[in-house]
Amino acid sequence: EAGVTQSPTHLIKTRGQQATLRCSPISGHTSVYWYQQALGLGLQFLLWYDEGEERNRGNFPPRFSGRQFPNYSSELNVNALELEDSALYLCASSWGQGAGELFFGEGSRLTVL
Amino acid sequence: KQEVTQIPAALSVPEGENLVLNCSFTDSAIYNLQWFRQDPGKGLTSLLLIQSSQREQTSGRLNASLDKSSGRSTLYIAASQPGDSATYLCAVHSGGYQKVTFGTGTKLQVIP
Repeated sequence: EAGVTQSPTHLIKTRGQQATLRCSPISGHTSVYWYQQALGLGLQFLLWYDEGEERNRGNFPPRFSGRQFPNYSSELNVNALELEDSALYLCASSWGQGAGELFFGEGSRLTVL
Repeated sequence: KQEVTQIPAALSVPEGENLVLNCSFTDSAIYNLQWFRQDPGKGLTSLLLIQSSQREQTSGRLNASLDKSSGRSTLYIAASQPGDSATYLCAVHSGGYQKVTFGTGTKLQVIP
């Protein structure tokens, strides 16, 4: 069974550009979560999607947005990139809206120059 | 607001030693607690999940305990190996809307 997959593995952008990151959850999982992990810092919650809807978002500006598709895959968009957006972006999935076990992908490393 | 603390921030032990990692949380109204390991630049690998009704969970050389009343969980690693070197994170799931709070982790180094 395939785990959570994320693409691209690495992405290099310049300030002001837009970045799109993608996540495919484990088959059968309906919830997708996005986290940001800046170098040397902890995981910061970005967004939670379930059944195609945004259920919760962390303390990030509106230029961080995303969506979840009917097949439960998800994409994270970051507009007007800033240098401090450079980080490892991690996606996790779980079954249902309950307190299910989280499974993470390998992450997408975004570098903003 | 749930706060999760992991002490120590870093730990270095010789191979073969048994060790304990600590995780403390401030709000005991939790659904579950999950332990992860993270290798440098990689994603998180789930190690153990303890539901709020459970006291402990075991997987191989790993044993995690949960004491909700005192707001503590411990991860016990038996007979440590160099391959256990990684950062260990605990995550507490509490409240509505999937509020999962991560600790800042304990960086473990097992010296051959």
